[in-house]
Amino acid sequence: GQQLNQSPQSMFIQEGEDVSMNCTSSSIFNTWLWYKQDPGEGPVLLIALYKAGELTSNGRLTAQFGITRKDSFLNISASIPSDVGIYFCAGQPAPVPSGNTGKLIFGQGTTLQVKP
Amino acid sequence: DTEVTQTPKHLVMGMTNKKSLKCEQHMGHRAMYWYKQKAKKPPELMFVYSYEKLSINESVPSRFSPECPNSSLLNLHLHALQPEDSALYLCASSHIAERPYEQYFGPGTRLTVT
Repeated sequence: GQQLNQSPQSMFIQEGEDVSMNCTSSSIFNTWLWYKQDPGEGPVLLIALYKAGELTSNGRLTAQFGITRKDSFLNISASIPSDVGIYFCAGQPAPVPSGNTGKLIFGQGTTLQVKP
Repeated sequence: DTEVTQTPKHLVMGMTNKKSLKCEQHMGHRAMYWYKQKAKKPPELMFVYSYEKLSINESVPSRFSPECPNSSLLNLHLHALQPEDSALYLCASSHIAERPYEQYFGPGTRLTVT
């Protein structure tokens, strides 16, 4: 089946540093989503991207839909301790199979730890 | 209101028990999802309901039985589970026509099968 390669697998950074993570695929995607999951909680939608080249910000978070439609990037600026968690990319591959409402492919996640 | 609620938050059940997980949303979403998540892994899709009808079953064992009584509620009935079924069970919802891939997740039910 289709897979998303998410990297890095984990990061341990100092508070105040910027963070970058990415997701790549061998096939084209129509939609890219970025989620954050805190321990014991459900994933929270951070940013959704629908057009190639699209750059969208949500506070200190910025995500981009790659021009090739095969990748996406998430940047976090000036990290703070509450940024700790697992970040998942997810996407809807193209073309959309008939009857395949909302079926997402998830990356394996990037675990972020922030040292105060 | 962008909240999906799930009950119970924690559940411990024996292999012979029957229990149900419940999910509710009031965002007017007509697609609802059940996912299973193991520690430090991404969510794995189990079932999708569209307009209260089952549209996707990802070859889930019959000991898991989903039900969508109305557009706001989603249940997952559990029977004769195995210890390897212990996981975080997540419910999610989304629109169907507009931005269908923006799925909103509940906090999950932590299930332990003994």
